[in-house]
Amino acid sequence: GAGVSQSPRYKVAKRGQDVALRCDPISGHVSLFWYQQALGQGPEFLTYFQNEAQLDKSGLPSDRFFAERPEGSVSTLKIQRTQQEDSAVYLCASSLAGTDTQYFGPGTRLTVL
Amino acid sequence: GDSVTQMEGPVTLSEEAFLTINCTYTATGYPSLFWYVQYPGEGLQLLLKATKADDKGSNKGFEATYRKETTSFHLEKGSVQVSDSAVYFCALRTRLSGGYQKVTFGIGTKLQVIP
Repeated sequence: GAGVSQSPRYKVAKRGQDVALRCDPISGHVSLFWYQQALGQGPEFLTYFQNEAQLDKSGLPSDRFFAERPEGSVSTLKIQRTQQEDSAVYLCASSLAGTDTQYFGPGTRLTVL
Repeated sequence: GDSVTQMEGPVTLSEEAFLTINCTYTATGYPSLFWYVQYPGEGLQLLLKATKADDKGSNKGFEATYRKETTSFHLEKGSVQVSDSAVYFCALRTRLSGGYQKVTFGIGTKLQVIP
């Protein structure tokens, strides 16, 4: 079966542009997480969905960051008016309800010029 | 808040050498502990885990023991191979209200194994 997929794998944006990053979780996985991984750092939690409900968005660094999962499967992380400090790898992970193993996608590397 | 501290790399070893990557944590309650591995060009993969004190997680020759008294979860392997070259992340999971799990990661330790 397919794992977690993310697109695009690489994104270059000019400062001030809006970007949208997509995550396709493993089919049937109820939980979906977004993380931000800066260069040389470990992943930092951004937000969490259970089905279509966004239960925690405490890790989103500013109101320029917005995530959605309208039908409880595919999720999109949107960053408005990108800044250079937004440059990072954005990771998506999914898991079955009640389990502690998260399956990670390959990430989207965002570079803001 | 919860945090994970792991030794900074890079760590360079010769093939067949013994590996230890130290990891200590701070958490409320009783977290589950994990080691994730990220091979070049690939996504994070779960390497092993332990869910309670004195549990030993093991996989692919790697081992780590959940030590509550020292709040540690050190990763070890008796004989590393070139194919083990990767970045290793120590992590913990805490269960929050609503029943979900937030994972807190360490900074990552890059391991390079030379023939």
